[in-house]
Amino acid sequence: GAVVSQHPSWVICKSGTSVKIECRSLDFQATTMFWYRQFPKQSLMLMATSNEGSKATYEQGVEKDKFLINHASLTLSTLTVTSAHPEDSSFYICSAHHASGGADTQYFGPGTRLTVL
Amino acid sequence: GNSVTQMEGPVTLSEEAFLTINCTYTATGYPSLFWYVQYPGEGLQLLLKATKADDKGSNKGFEATYRKETTSFHLEKGSVQVSDSAVYFCALSDQGGGNKLTFGTGTQLKVEL
Repeated sequence: GAVVSQHPSWVICKSGTSVKIECRSLDFQATTMFWYRQFPKQSLMLMATSNEGSKATYEQGVEKDKFLINHASLTLSTLTVTSAHPEDSSFYICSAHHASGGADTQYFGPGTRLTVL
Repeated sequence: GNSVTQMEGPVTLSEEAFLTINCTYTATGYPSLFWYVQYPGEGLQLLLKATKADDKGSNKGFEATYRKETTSFHLEKGSVQVSDSAVYFCALSDQGGGNKLTFGTGTQLKVEL
């Protein structure tokens, strides 16, 4: 099946610093990628929809100035958590929409564990 | 708005037992329905999907049928294995896989010998 990678898989940072997380579709092009946040033992909550070449669409309650999303190419989207604080500690997951060749499915990355001290 | 309701877990079964994880949904129109599985320490993987009423998705012995009349998409497997232990998420999207997904809260399955 289609492969989506995330980097880094885990990161620990100090409060007030910024962290960038990369999401790559390795064997297909994705005009649309999604960023989710997952709290322990809870479901995934959609944060934003990332569209290649245009601004991301954020879900209600998600601060766009804090969670910067860039989707500069058809295989890469980045999420930057700016001025991170301990409450931003979470598991961040991306997905990429595979639409070509009859596929119409989102494929998920393995996630990035962010811990803010 | 859209919503997905799953049975609460954890569900604990003995190996070779029959599995059912209930999932019902609320949506406008005709959503696509999905089951995703998350193994310990890993990301979500698509298990199966159905895009229209009466479709049956199947994979690795798991099945789910899109029931529009009952707005349900229950996951079943005839004989579970220890390796099936994971968290299972039911999800829907309005217009196929390219639209945003709405997830249920997930159901943890534990299969014991």
